[in-house]
Amino acid sequence: KAGVTQTPRYLIKTRGQQVTLSCSPISGHRSVSWYQQTPGQGLQFLFEYFSETQRNKGNFPGRFSGRQFSNSRSEMNVSTLELGDSALYLCASSLETSGVYNEQFFGPGTRLTVL
Amino acid sequence: KNEVEQSPQNLTAQEGEFITINCSYSVGISALHWLQQHPGGGIVSLFMLSSGKKKHGRLIATINIQEKHSSLHITASHPRDSAVYICAGAGSYQLTFGKGTKLSVIP
Repeated sequence: KAGVTQTPRYLIKTRGQQVTLSCSPISGHRSVSWYQQTPGQGLQFLFEYFSETQRNKGNFPGRFSGRQFSNSRSEMNVSTLELGDSALYLCASSLETSGVYNEQFFGPGTRLTVL
Repeated sequence: KNEVEQSPQNLTAQEGEFITINCSYSVGISALHWLQQHPGGGIVSLFMLSSGKKKHGRLIATINIQEKHSSLHITASHPRDSAVYICAGAGSYQLTFGKGTKLSVIP
């Protein structure tokens, strides 16, 4: 069974641009979560989705948004990029409906650099 | 607001030593994950606990719900165990992460 895939793996953008990151969960997994990892703040929760519904959002500005499609694939979008958005963005999927209350399977991440 | 405190931040051990990493969490967290991250970024789930104790190979994870405390133990540590270990608490459909413990096991 293929693992969680994220595309692209690396991305370089300039301030003010927007970016869309994609996450394909393990087949059969319906819960997808997104996380941001930076050297200063560590890992931080962004969003959690189940069956196309956002069940929670972390403490991030409205420039960060996401969605989940009917096939459980998920995308996140960051508009008006700032230098501080440079980070590793990770998604994770879970088999059970309870999402983060069960084992999380992480993708390799997308490393975003904002210049 | 959910909180997770992890200690120590850095740990150096000689090969073969018994290692313990600790994690304390706040009210509102009902399950605790232990994760391993190697250089390069990949994160692997080691354990998910809501009660008791779990064991996988040389790794053991315990959780005390009353004290809101969890520990990760590594027996007979090996240089390949060198990585960052992160605990994360699950509550309100989100994970709250500890700062991580950077473990270096010296041959």
